Amino acid sequence: NSKVIQTPRYLVKGQGQKAKMRCIPEKGHPVVFWYQQNKNNEFKFLINFQNQEVLQQIDMTEKRFSAECPSNSPCSLEIQSSEAGDSALYLCASSLGDRAAEQFFGPGTRLTVL
Amino acid sequence: GDSVTQTEGLVTLTEGLPVMLNCTYQTIYSNPFLFWYVHYLNESPRLLLKSSTDNKRTEHQGFHATLHKSSSSFHLQKSSAQLSDSALYYCALSRNNNNRIFFGDGTQLVVKP
Repeated sequence: NSKVIQTPRYLVKGQGQKAKMRCIPEKGHPVVFWYQQNKNNEFKFLINFQNQEVLQQIDMTEKRFSAECPSNSPCSLEIQSSEAGDSALYLCASSLGDRAAEQFFGPGTRLTVL
Repeated sequence: GDSVTQTEGLVTLTEGLPVMLNCTYQTIYSNPFLFWYVHYLNESPRLLLKSSTDNKRTEHQGFHATLHKSSSSFHLQKSSAQLSDSALYYCALSRNNNNRIFFGDGTQLVVKP
């Protein structure tokens, strides 16, 4: 069973507000991923980290999100100015990092932007 | 670039019938890893099975899949669907360490009595 912890489980924001969510990866997992699962159930990759360093991110993340994985603190993903289209389930996953490695997912943060 | 295609967005089956969810992929990498993840409602997505070995059947929890590099496919099958199999199923591809994995758009499986 996954031990990835995500908080909060639900988040409601108005348009233009910041929206911040956190993730504690499984102990010993150096690689952390963030995904957005939209209303069509599609997984969109947002960003991944190895330890504290960003490995890859998509343009949207770079322009509109702030993300970090500090040592000894939860990873965080923050939308700087929420839009209605950001309403989705945000999933955090962690893994050991090799290409065969299973990704362990948290339960997600359900963001609703009013 | 790398991509994964799941042709069916929704599959509705009667309990007891066989399940087949299609997955094909594109990659220039000669030795990718393919995965099936399952996402039950109100639970975390989790790994169902994975493989990188050509033409070898992989099984877990009654489901099986065989990676066929000749056709770039990794279809998920089960001989007899159960009501509890109703969930979202995602096929995914990995090629490099630490890199993102590429998910298909998912297939919603609904099993009816």
